[in-house]
Amino acid sequence: EVQLVESGGGLVQPGGSLRLSCAASGFTFSTYSLNWVRQAPGRGLEWVSYISGSSSPKYYADSVKGRFTISRDYATNSLYLQMNSLRAEDTAVYYCARGLYGGYGLDVWGQGTTVTVSS
Amino acid sequence: QSALTQPASVSGSPGQSITISCTGTSSDVGAYNYVSWYQQHPGKAPKLMIYEVSNRPSGVSNRFSGSKSGNTASLTISGLQAEDEADYYCSSYTSIITYVFGTGTKVTVL
Repeated sequence: EVQLVESGGGLVQPGGSLRLSCAASGFTFSTYSLNWVRQAPGRGLEWVSYISGSSSPKYYADSVKGRFTISRDYATNSLYLQMNSLRAEDTAVYYCARGLYGGYGLDVWGQGTTVTVSS
Repeated sequence: QSALTQPASVSGSPGQSITISCTGTSSDVGAYNYVSWYQQHPGKAPKLMIYEVSNRPSGVSNRFSGSKSGNTASLTISGLQAEDEADYYCSSYTSIITYVFGTGTKVTVL
């Protein structure tokens, strides 16, 4: 079964750091691009970051550029999002999502992990 | 990059057809045939319903169809069913970022 499972969310103070993980299974990890998408409480979806199957290129939303870093580990089939200098507006459910092979769309999503930035 | 514009809500009776619009610009929706649609039930992860304007992933009902004209894409749900009640988001590729999402539409089945 194709699956993405996020972890690492939690409560963090403004200015703090957190690393999210996404464990992938059921597909050839290096073949697919991966993304992070977030959803603030009661709000819509916001794309956060993209990493290609080969780890280059990587892209970021302006709202997180310079603060967040996306990476992937082929030995453990894991996707990561290192989040630094966190702000209240980063509070959201963070989803990892797989890019459609040979096409445009996000065809597999994890269940999400919640990040709360608050003092 | 601003979010794509969707109506806040659309409603219909069981069996009816409804259409959700998604309006962007000549830099996103109008520039590429890279529009996708997602369904999200409360507390759940989004689910891909349409990709590249009008293609359905395997397992998605053929009651869902997509189209595009100029800077506006549309999702039509025919034969509306109670299980279709959810939030729907469009998304487009842009030359600036990989994905921009719409503002979201709440579909209510009356």
